[in-house]
Amino acid sequence: DVKVTQSSRYLVKRTGEKVFLECVQDMDHENMFWYRQDPGLGLRLIYFSYDVKMKEKGDIPEGYSVSREKKERFSLILESASTNQTSMYLCASSLMNTEAFFGQGTRLTVV
Amino acid sequence: DQQVKQNSPSLSVQEGRISILNCDYTNSMFDYFLWYKKYPAEGPTFLISISSIKDKNEDGRFTVFLNKSAKHLSLHIVPSQPGDSAVYFCAASAEGTYKYIFGTGTRLKVLA
Repeated sequence: DVKVTQSSRYLVKRTGEKVFLECVQDMDHENMFWYRQDPGLGLRLIYFSYDVKMKEKGDIPEGYSVSREKKERFSLILESASTNQTSMYLCASSLMNTEAFFGQGTRLTVV
Repeated sequence: DQQVKQNSPSLSVQEGRISILNCDYTNSMFDYFLWYKKYPAEGPTFLISISSIKDKNEDGRFTVFLNKSAKHLSLHIVPSQPGDSAVYFCAASAEGTYKYIFGTGTRLKVLA
């Protein structure tokens, strides 16, 4: 059974903290993605990666960075967390031109 | 600019009837389209997809229709069941771009 695992279901962080969200997939997929979901805005792409050490900005990359040192792992980093980054964060992976598989999501609250 | 649009934020349907969820797109380079279902506090799960070389794809109770000239796709669920109550997202991608662009979602409620 295919699996995308996000390290935390719920996180509470303070404003200004550096936050790491981790994602691991076991399907040997080349592509990995980070989205955030907000009410009325759908899923918005933050960053994606199509290979190890390769990354591209999505639609809303400001305030975020990513790291992909190994094929199975894609990390999202909030350099200095702010309250407007309170959201549901979703990691996904895929092969080219096939469906993406999502993790269970991380609900991040920045206080 | 929203390239993938779901103009109906919510939809209510009686159990056993047909649910029709709609999605419009603006980018003519999109050639692969997907529908996802999402329950609260869970990640989206893939339902069905269609490539631009087809106009219909069917999987059990779910059928996706694609009208390329109108840049419109729809998801039909027949018959609708209470367990289908969820938020449905359509998504699109263009060949060679790797990424998926999602709509804002439609909340479907199936009434028993």
